[in-house]
Amino acid sequence: DIVLTQSPLSLAVTPGEPASISCSSSQSLLNRNGYNYVDWYLQKPGQPPQLLIYLGSNRASGVPDRFSGTGSGTHFTLKISRLEAEDVGVYYCMQGLLLWTFGPGTKVEIK
Amino acid sequence: QLQLRESGPGIVRPSETLSLTCLVSGDSISSSFYYWAWIRQPPGKGPEWLASVNYRGASYYTPSLERRLTISVDTSKNHFSLRLNSVTATDTALYYCARQDCRGDICYRTFDYWGRGLLVAVSS
Repeated sequence: DIVLTQSPLSLAVTPGEPASISCSSSQSLLNRNGYNYVDWYLQKPGQPPQLLIYLGSNRASGVPDRFSGTGSGTHFTLKISRLEAEDVGVYYCMQGLLLWTFGPGTKVEIK
Repeated sequence: QLQLRESGPGIVRPSETLSLTCLVSGDSISSSFYYWAWIRQPPGKGPEWLASVNYRGASYYTPSLERRLTISVDTSKNHFSLRLNSVTATDTALYYCARQDCRGDICYRTFDYWGRGLLVAVSS
């Protein structure tokens, strides 16, 4: 099984400031086709998760460009360039290389 | 606009079988592009993918629960279903249904549409 860990588990950020979340995998998520099989989701309070980033660095439709995904192999990062109030919630990384598993989540709050 | 809606019991007794249905509206469940999935989220924890199925009934299961799970699709009713047998308190969770789309030439699958979720408690 592939195990994902995230850090930090919680984060308080001043609006307008950047935020960064890390995701580490127990094995490489780099497929032989050159793509990293990792996604990022945001779960806002009372809502289901929504897709932000897929294949490591591709923004989903409608996702603001303040969100970006980087990394390869076993280490990945989600960056928010300027946090807005609507960005609060729990962020999950997810691997899609061997079936699908989610990380434990990182709770982002407003400072 | 695609919508998914979960239905089923809010409470299930220990050792019994949980049966859930996801009604898909706004699109045909018979599209060859998509898989249809069940994901659950225990209170205060992260999501856990359970199973996926396509319109022909091809399915995948999470290994830890495979012996207890059955996913199925009914194209005539445009819905898909999940059965989880021998439930215990650890199966208490918010159960979501979701669509898995197919992105790019590699047909990479993400969960792009989700239902609102159905809270299921296992209790006597």
